[in-house]
Amino acid sequence: DQQVKQNSPSLSVQEGRISILNCDYTNSMFDYFLWYKKYPAEGPTFLISISSIKDKNEDGRFTVFLNKSAKHLSLHIVPSQPGDSAVYFCAASGSGSGNTGKLIFGQGTTLQVKP
Amino acid sequence: EAEVAQSPRYKITEKSQAVAFWCDPISGHATLYWYRQILGQGPELLVQFQDESVVDDSQLPKDRFSAERLKGVDSTLKIQPAELGDSAMYLCASSLGLSNEQFFGPGTRLTVL
Repeated sequence: DQQVKQNSPSLSVQEGRISILNCDYTNSMFDYFLWYKKYPAEGPTFLISISSIKDKNEDGRFTVFLNKSAKHLSLHIVPSQPGDSAVYFCAASGSGSGNTGKLIFGQGTTLQVKP
Repeated sequence: EAEVAQSPRYKITEKSQAVAFWCDPISGHATLYWYRQILGQGPELLVQFQDESVVDDSQLPKDRFSAERLKGVDSTLKIQPAELGDSAMYLCASSLGLSNEQFFGPGTRLTVL
């Protein structure tokens, strides 16, 4: 049972344009959501997060939007840069994961930003 | 900048052999996590420690996997015997407490032949 889903395995965008990565979840007990970025041969790196009491969080070029009624979140990268090319993982935690800080990850979306 | 250290970075072994991975979390981080990431999937938690105690090992295949964090600092994950399906990236992460921001190490890429 995949509680966090990233239905797009890959995404390709042109440098300077917007990248939109999507994530859906099924467990309504999740109350904290994170995006991690992973380069090959490295561990995931924390990018941005959002609490369920908010619907938007912005950090520089990265913005995460949360739609609780739809159980959907998205990561917007504007403008996209070639260095953003990586695998992006959506993750969730909260009382739905036993409230131990355990993260439930999606399958990942590979973003390619073309110069 | 403080980092989570893992060794070895790569490990190739034959099935039925024993393997062990080591993780040194960021200094002062009480919570330590071991994840397994199979190619094309997201990381999946195997075991979580709070200091030296196991908080969650519900997804750890206990017939062949074991993990310890004896002094509440560094940790070892062992597989004995290794099976072909164990080929994956094994990631260690740490956090200050049961908070949500986890810092990941570079991982150990295991290949079982």
